[in-house]
Amino acid sequence: GDSVTQMEGPVTLSEEAFLTINCTYTATGYPSLFWYVQYPGEGLQLLLKATKADDKGSNKGFEATYRKETTSFHLEKGSVQVSDSAVYFCALTANTGGFKTIFGAGTRLFVKA
Amino acid sequence: DAGITQSPRHKVTETGTPVTLRCHQTENHRYMYWYRQDPGHGLRLIHYSYGVKDTDKGEVSDGYSVSRSKTEDFLLTLESATSSQTSVYFCAISARDGSTDNEQFFGPGTRLTVL
Repeated sequence: GDSVTQMEGPVTLSEEAFLTINCTYTATGYPSLFWYVQYPGEGLQLLLKATKADDKGSNKGFEATYRKETTSFHLEKGSVQVSDSAVYFCALTANTGGFKTIFGAGTRLFVKA
Repeated sequence: DAGITQSPRHKVTETGTPVTLRCHQTENHRYMYWYRQDPGHGLRLIHYSYGVKDTDKGEVSDGYSVSRSKTEDFLLTLESATSSQTSVYFCAISARDGSTDNEQFFGPGTRLTVL
């Protein structure tokens, strides 16, 4: 079945460091890929998305490129801030199984000043 | 922000009691979802609805039922709560158009503790 695997956390970085959170997926067909972010005490909110191969999603300095050849959608940011501390979820929606969205387990990011 | 509210926001109950959680939206979106969030598992789909009175099971539906009598409300019921149902429950909505671009908007969550 469809699945999403993302790197385990927590990830701890100093402010202005480079961030990479790895995400790989398994899906039949041509899924759409998403990164959601969850700040403490809140629900998830969409950070960025890509709906076809080679698309790059970007928002708030974060980027991720849909790589079909490596089935990956890694999240990157060039310079993190303390305010980026949150839990990040990779997700996919495939055109099988009723178009349900599958979420990864989440990666917690701590950014130190 | 998408207009999604959940009630109650926190609840403590005892094993064996029924519990109903409510999700209310003001966006008129067709699709509504209930997820549970547990450490190490991300979000897991419990049930979802694709219209009034139209619902279907997710991957962890045992012990849960849902109802949707109006577009704006989606209720999740634990018929007889168990300690394994202690979790944070999120409602989500989407205006999905039949493609895989299924961006979802989430409510603030309900923290449920079953003693």
